[in-house]
Amino acid sequence: DAGVTQSPTHLIKTRGQQVTLRCSPKSGHDTVSWYQQALGQGPQFIFQYYEEEERQRGNFPDRFSGHQFPNYSSELNVNALLLGDSALYLCASSVRTGQGALEQFFGPGTRLTVL
Amino acid sequence: QKEVEQDPGPLSVPEGAIVSLNCTYSNSAFQYFMWYRQYSRKGPELLMYTYSSGNKEDGRFTAQVDKSSKYISLFIRDSQPSDSATYLCAMSVYGNNRLAFGKGNQVVVIP
Repeated sequence: DAGVTQSPTHLIKTRGQQVTLRCSPKSGHDTVSWYQQALGQGPQFIFQYYEEEERQRGNFPDRFSGHQFPNYSSELNVNALLLGDSALYLCASSVRTGQGALEQFFGPGTRLTVL
Repeated sequence: QKEVEQDPGPLSVPEGAIVSLNCTYSNSAFQYFMWYRQYSRKGPELLMYTYSSGNKEDGRFTAQVDKSSKYISLFIRDSQPSDSATYLCAMSVYGNNRLAFGKGNQVVVIP
């Protein structure tokens, strides 16, 4: 089992550009959540996808959008990049339950630097 | 007031010591409590997960939850240099998909 995989590992962009990050969940998992982790901070919830729909969203602007594909993989898109978007972007996969966010397994992250 | 407070101050201990970490929280609706370990340049790895109050033990790790005080703890016995990492507490509300994290505690175990 490959676990949660993310690509690319690192990315450097300039302000105003757009970026797409990708995530493949752990085998058997159907739910993908995205988090942003700034340096020295804990991860902040961006949104969660299940059955190809955004199910819940954190306090992030509309510049952050996503998509989930039929094979459960997911993309995070960020438009009009700001310097403050520089962070480690983490994808977490889990199995959907009625109890909510139980065991979420994280990928290694994509480190985005905005210059 | 932040939803989850975790003193991020680095913690250095000698090998074999007990490491004690804790978090406080303000949202009384939190019912699931987790501890993650994050090595440098890696994603967080789930260590322990507890529902509601009480203790849970897994090998050298013990997690405690005191909902009346809104306080959770993680103890690491017989600490090893390989335990050197950042430890993040996280919690969620029943039926909610969002994990709320603390800032993380950097732990260094000195051989």
